[in-house]
Amino acid sequence: DGGITQSPKYLFRKEGQNVTLSCEQNLNHDAMYWYRQDPGQGLRLIYYSQIVNDFQKGDIAEGYSVSREKKESFPLTVTSAQKNPTAFYLCASGTVQETQYFGPGTRLLVL
Amino acid sequence: QQQVKQSPQSLIVQKGGISIINCAYENTAFDYFPWYQQFPGKGPALLIAIRPDVSEKKEGRFTISFNKSAKQFSLHIMDSQPGDSATYFCAASKGNYKLTFGKGTLLTVNP
Repeated sequence: DGGITQSPKYLFRKEGQNVTLSCEQNLNHDAMYWYRQDPGQGLRLIYYSQIVNDFQKGDIAEGYSVSREKKESFPLTVTSAQKNPTAFYLCASGTVQETQYFGPGTRLLVL
Repeated sequence: QQQVKQSPQSLIVQKGGISIINCAYENTAFDYFPWYQQFPGKGPALLIAIRPDVSEKKEGRFTISFNKSAKQFSLHIMDSQPGDSATYFCAASKGNYKLTFGKGTLLTVNP
């Protein structure tokens, strides 16, 4: 898992609730990414950030929001607008010279 | 539109055999092709990667073969072991940013 930590390992969301997933890296990587993994769907990009205070939507950004106030941190908020949030969420970081390294993931379940 | 197609979805190999997973891409701008290995409940880990200036790259029992004209690349696992049983993802990107992933191959190596 390198120097990327994700918390919590499991997260439960109630109807209409926003929840925030944490991602921290100590690899001094400029870029950070959030992916969603569903069975049989591979990894789909939610948001990515190449530098602090800047981020772009990925392929499935609707219902999610992010911030990048620090180089080390890239939290993901799953909003109440995301109607099917149950999935395994993976954070990754990397640079132009290095590939992406993934964290251990957070499994989000809906109560 | 899926830009990286991976096959097969699942693969069963006997111990000592060769496992072969194939990927095809559409975007000719892609210039970085990594393979990731993922165990259940864990984040993907980089296995091996190739750039299109070479046709083959080998690291231990793992080899990537790359065919630029056919826009295809494959992972070969020689002398497959039960510990290799995992899900394998191919990916592609321009530079190291914004990887596009295949949907994954579940490999089972029988003892």
